[in-house]
Amino acid sequence: ETGVTQTPRHLVMGMTNKKSLKCEQHLGHNAMYWYKQSAKKPLELMFVYNFKEQTENNSVPSRFSPECPNSSHLFLHLHTLQPEDSALYLCASSQPGTGGNYEQYFGPGTRLTVT
Amino acid sequence: DQQVKQNSPSLSVQEGRISILNCDYTNSMFDYFLWYKKYPAEGPTFLISISSIKDKNEDGRFTVFLNKSAKHLSLHIVPSQPGDSAVYFCAASKAGNNRKLIWGLGTSLAVNP
Repeated sequence: ETGVTQTPRHLVMGMTNKKSLKCEQHLGHNAMYWYKQSAKKPLELMFVYNFKEQTENNSVPSRFSPECPNSSHLFLHLHTLQPEDSALYLCASSQPGTGGNYEQYFGPGTRLTVT
Repeated sequence: DQQVKQNSPSLSVQEGRISILNCDYTNSMFDYFLWYKKYPAEGPTFLISISSIKDKNEDGRFTVFLNKSAKHLSLHIVPSQPGDSAVYFCAASKAGNNRKLIWGLGTSLAVNP
């Protein structure tokens, strides 16, 4: 149990669908992250939120739209995705600036398949 | 251009022996390094970290060594257990820039009984 939960765990969607991924962290952290993990590629950072404010958008296409209503919840809204967007989407949280510990704690991920 | 490299995609070790996973980096500004373990269908789990002011950090069976001059770090697992079989990721970060983690591709470790 890492304290970071993600729903759904699996999602199959068509290219014209709209869906949302949800992440919740129970660790009291102030920073939250969305990552994409594709086969044979390093983990790709997508978005960073600090204290609910987006501090990084790593050139992510606009068909991915993040939302962070509070420090414990993070959403990734998906619309008109492409088959190449099929991947494992991971959420993470951290508590930046606490004594030099920069660990991020991950949820189990959502396995997304775009058909 | 990959700044963090794990050149061995896979490693196989006998139970009870030492596992050594290697990681090289190119950016001399990195000052914090982490190892994560990932089982299938789960997110990465933090394992151990090391600051650039140290050259060794130990936690139970896991020890991370840092050689700054060679821009190289390694994770030693002694003794290896079958439950250690997983993919191990090396990550690095530097001050500023949201303390982003830059990840390697991972090494798949198989510990055979």
